[in-house]
Amino acid sequence: GENVEQHPSTLSVQEGDSAVIKCTYSDSASNYFPWYKQELGKRPQLIIDIRSNVGEKKDQRIAVTLNKTAKHFSLHITETQPEDSAVYFCAVRGLGTYKYIFGTGTRLKVLA
Amino acid sequence: GAVVSQHPSWVICKSGTSVKIECRSLDFQATTMFWYRQFPKQSLMLMATSNEGSKATYEQGVEKDKFLINHASLTLSTLTVTSAHPEDSSFYICSVSLSRGSTDTQYFGPGTRLTVL
Repeated sequence: GENVEQHPSTLSVQEGDSAVIKCTYSDSASNYFPWYKQELGKRPQLIIDIRSNVGEKKDQRIAVTLNKTAKHFSLHITETQPEDSAVYFCAVRGLGTYKYIFGTGTRLKVLA
Repeated sequence: GAVVSQHPSWVICKSGTSVKIECRSLDFQATTMFWYRQFPKQSLMLMATSNEGSKATYEQGVEKDKFLINHASLTLSTLTVTSAHPEDSSFYICSVSLSRGSTDTQYFGPGTRLTVL
């Protein structure tokens, strides 16, 4: 089955710096890659996603890049702010299925 | 996106009792809902896929007789933790899959924190 690895597990950056989180997956047939942000005790919120026919997608300070050949995708947050502090999860959905496999999460701390 | 609610938001129960958690899709009809479990500082682990009008599909290692799922309508799925034990204490989150054309996105409920004493 699909295996998703996420790195780093924790990340501290100074306010205004950029943060990058990377996920790798094993099933080359996977075709949808969302990123979720989860604050303590709350539900995961979709922040950006990318599909396998696209290499990059950007939404203001957040961007996601996908390398299908290498089977990895990354979340980029620029000009980080303290409110970006949260746990971020990547997920992978395989072709022909509704099931998501989640990464292990990255705890991002933005230092003011 | 989709609006998903869960009830209760938290529950404390004694060991050996059963607890029912409701997941509602408030603004669209969901033929498929998902139940996840999340232990502290860990990722979301899919427990089962709930299908309206049919049996749920459980992931490997999840006991179907312990975690009873009922998806009786297009807006409601329930998860019952039977004979709960302290190791069942966790954050249980449901999600619905919203399809638009050839794509679909999952939207999560607010979660239910279960504590078994």
